[in-house]
Amino acid sequence: DIQLTQSPSSVSASVGDSVTITCRASQGISTWLAWYQQKAGKAPNLLIFAASRLHSGVPSRFSGRGSGTDFTLTISSLQPEDFATYYCQQANSFPVTFGGGTKVEI
Amino acid sequence: QLQLHESGPGLVRPSETLSLTCTVSGGSMTTGDYYWGWIRQPPGKGLEWIGSVFYSGSTYYNPSLKSRVTISLDTSQNHFFLRLTSVTAADTAVYYCASLGAALRLAGDYWGQGIVVTVSS
Repeated sequence: DIQLTQSPSSVSASVGDSVTITCRASQGISTWLAWYQQKAGKAPNLLIFAASRLHSGVPSRFSGRGSGTDFTLTISSLQPEDFATYYCQQANSFPVTFGGGTKVEI
Repeated sequence: QLQLHESGPGLVRPSETLSLTCTVSGGSMTTGDYYWGWIRQPPGKGLEWIGSVFYSGSTYYNPSLKSRVTISLDTSQNHFFLRLTSVTAADTAVYYCASLGAALRLAGDYWGQGIVVTVSS
């Protein structure tokens, strides 16, 4: 199985800050990586697919980069609605796996 | 746009079988555009992929659950199903069904609202 390691596990930030979350894969996954935002009590919401492609309707302050084993999600100019938990997910090969999550809090 | 909705019992007794249904609306399950998947989230924890099924009937399971899981589909009714046998308290979680888009490198673009399943006597 491909393991995904997210860091940090939590980050404190303020409105207007820029935040970068890292996801490292245990082996190369090309660009078969997605990022999700999840708020309490809600289903995950897709932000980025194919490592860097913004999903429809997602604000442009979200961006993804990387290929192979190292990936980042950057949120520029944090908005109040961005405080949530973020997960990466790989589907380069089954089983699909998720990172452990990063909580972005005030 | 697709909509997915989970249904099934919210309480299952230990050692029994958990059975859930996901109803898909707003699109066809047979276009090959999606893998249909189940994902769960134990209380306070992260996301765990359980498995997926393609419209052809091909299935893919998490090895950690493979001996207990069956995912199937009924495309005529726009449903797909999860069956998890011999449940324990560790199977208590919110269970989500989702569509993993083939054009999105199997990212989950549509999700159900989730169903809370508690395993308890």
